[in-house]
Amino acid sequence: SAVISQKPSRDICQRGTSLTIQCQVDSQVTMMFWYRQQPGQSLTLIATANQGSEATYESGFVIDKFPISRPNLTFSTLTVSNMSPEDSSIYLCSGQVGGKTFFGQGTRLTVV
Amino acid sequence: DQQVKQNSPSLSVQEGRISILNCDYTNSMFDYFLWYKKYPAEGPTFLISISSIKDKNEDGRFTVFLNKSAKHLSLHIVPSQPGDSAVYFCAASANRGSTLGRLYFGRGTQLTVWP
Repeated sequence: SAVISQKPSRDICQRGTSLTIQCQVDSQVTMMFWYRQQPGQSLTLIATANQGSEATYESGFVIDKFPISRPNLTFSTLTVSNMSPEDSSIYLCSGQVGGKTFFGQGTRLTVV
Repeated sequence: DQQVKQNSPSLSVQEGRISILNCDYTNSMFDYFLWYKKYPAEGPTFLISISSIKDKNEDGRFTVFLNKSAKHLSLHIVPSQPGDSAVYFCAASANRGSTLGRLYFGRGTQLTVWP
């Protein structure tokens, strides 16, 4: 199994500002994933982050809005830029270890 | 376009009874299916999975059934316990070897088990 530590667990931010979410894995993982869960919705994949290469973004998500870093095999960050109230959501990182996908605790973001 | 659907947003079951959570999918390329459980303020935790080469997988009180022709899977919890109260997400992946870890999720079903 793997433990993924994600922080912050929650934050309230002013519109127009940016927030960086960090995820630390206790194992080396090749691919990490960032998801968003809006109220009443399923988990939606934002992007896939591989170490040493640019993240791959899903339709509807762009690098300027959600820049991602992946400096090594155990760490990744997601930045939510120029936030608006529509960005209020739960953000989750995940990684696969031993054929199973594990998740961080999630970051509950509220933009006011 | 929702490729994985959980049409019941909530389910309420008495303790000791069976809980049945349902999930439908549309993409015939999906070959691996998973169930996750999520408590408030926590990330989803893996519960049980099934490969498309099987039609049933059992782990203790949890059994997942897969009906490929109907593109339907279900999670059975027997007996249900109050601690099972959580949101359950159905997830699927396609071509598991090449898109490792990329999961498609349903919207979740809130299970409440009452004493």
